[in-house]
This record gives sequence, structure tokens and C-alpha cells, in this order.
Amino acid sequence: GQQLNQSPQSMFIQEGEDVSMNCTSSSIFNTWLWYKQDPGEGPVLLIALYKAGELTSNGRLTAQFGITRKDSFLNISASIPSDVGIYFCAGQLSNDYKLSFGAGTTVTVRA
Amino acid sequence: DGGITQSPKYLFRKEGQNVTLSCEQNLNHDAMYWYRQDPGQGLRLIYYSQIVNDFQKGDIAEGYSVSREKKESFPLTVTSAQKNPTAFYLCASNWGRDITDPSTDTQYFGPGTRLTVL
Repeated sequence: GQQLNQSPQSMFIQEGEDVSMNCTSSSIFNTWLWYKQDPGEGPVLLIALYKAGELTSNGRLTAQFGITRKDSFLNISASIPSDVGIYFCAGQLSNDYKLSFGAGTTVTVRA
Repeated sequence: DGGITQSPKYLFRKEGQNVTLSCEQNLNHDAMYWYRQDPGQGLRLIYYSQIVNDFQKGDIAEGYSVSREKKESFPLTVTSAQKNPTAFYLCASNWGRDITDPSTDTQYFGPGTRLTVL
């Protein structure tokens, strides 16, 4: 699969702040997925997006499937210490069984 | 509980030895995947299987082998031919491709196995 461009690579945030990260691609995707990975654990699915323009929330998390189908963003509102971890985006092309992954955004929260 | 299990959690291997990582799922998923994760990098696909008794190479299959004799099991063997095997290995599964239902694309991951070559 191709590598997605995920940014920022890392961020230090104050507890209570809002956080935003995004992924972009040169290709059109049918599906965008956002995962969170804690150290030494497997990624856990946060939000799945299946339609262009779709905006989906999961608690304090909100993600959108870009209109062009080439990008997606994830917002975390009112961050708390347990938001620490690595967040990955993943996308699936229409003609492929495989997911493409971003390199991850490492989030560290200052109490 | 439905889910994906991987064992062992930690594995140590001497150079020149083959080692097999286990992946089991009870989600009744048709498709299973093996990924390798290195620090600071995204996940890279090693092998995948869409159906029992069939599997395909991913992007970095050299030095690895798999089998898919049962729907619920997809073991990965790291052979001595793999030049740099120390990594975190992740197994995933989903329903397999259904173009009428994009939710079948969503992959769910196991807890991972950390392999260290001594």
C-alpha cells in the first residue's frame, strides 16, 4: 500500500486543549479509519468513515472524510491525560484489499 | 468475548532460528493480515489472506511465511532469511471485500507480539 501523509508527527498539548491532526493522499480513498495505539499494544479503532463529507463523532473525538476523498482529519476536544498515545490514519483504495497507513501522530499531554 | 488474540506477547529468538507467531480470531472474519511495525514508521503489510487455504504476499514478504488452514487461525513464521526481524508484529482481521458494504474494509487488530533477536 502507499504511505499516507500524516501531520503533525508529534505534539505536546496542555490538558484541556483541543487537538487536530490530518492525513492526506494523492489517491482517492473509499474508506478512512482512525486508530489509537498505546505503547506495546495493538491499534484500537476510534472512528470509521465511509462516505465523502461524512462527519462522525465518538465522545470527544470527531473525524471527517474529506470532500475530495483524498484527506481526513481527527479532532480531540478537551484533551485529558489518557489521550496520550499514537494516532494512526488508514485508508482503503476502491480497488485494493490492503489498507494504507500514515506514520502516526504522537500525542503527549502536559497535566 | 469476541476478538483477536496473539501469542506470545514477547518472544526472543537467536539468530538463525525460525520462530512462529500465533494469531487467532473468533469474529468469524474471512480475511486476516500480518503487519510489521518499526519505531516511527507506519504499519507495513507482510502477508494477507482473503479466504482459507489462500494467501498473498504483501509489501515486505521476504523472509516470512504463512499458512491459512483454518478460518480462525493465521500463523506467521519468521525465518532465518529475514535480515532484520526485531520488530512489533500485529495481526488483523476483517470480513473481507464487499464492494456494496464499505464497513467490511474495517480491520481490527490483535494486541501484538514483540519479537527480539538476540
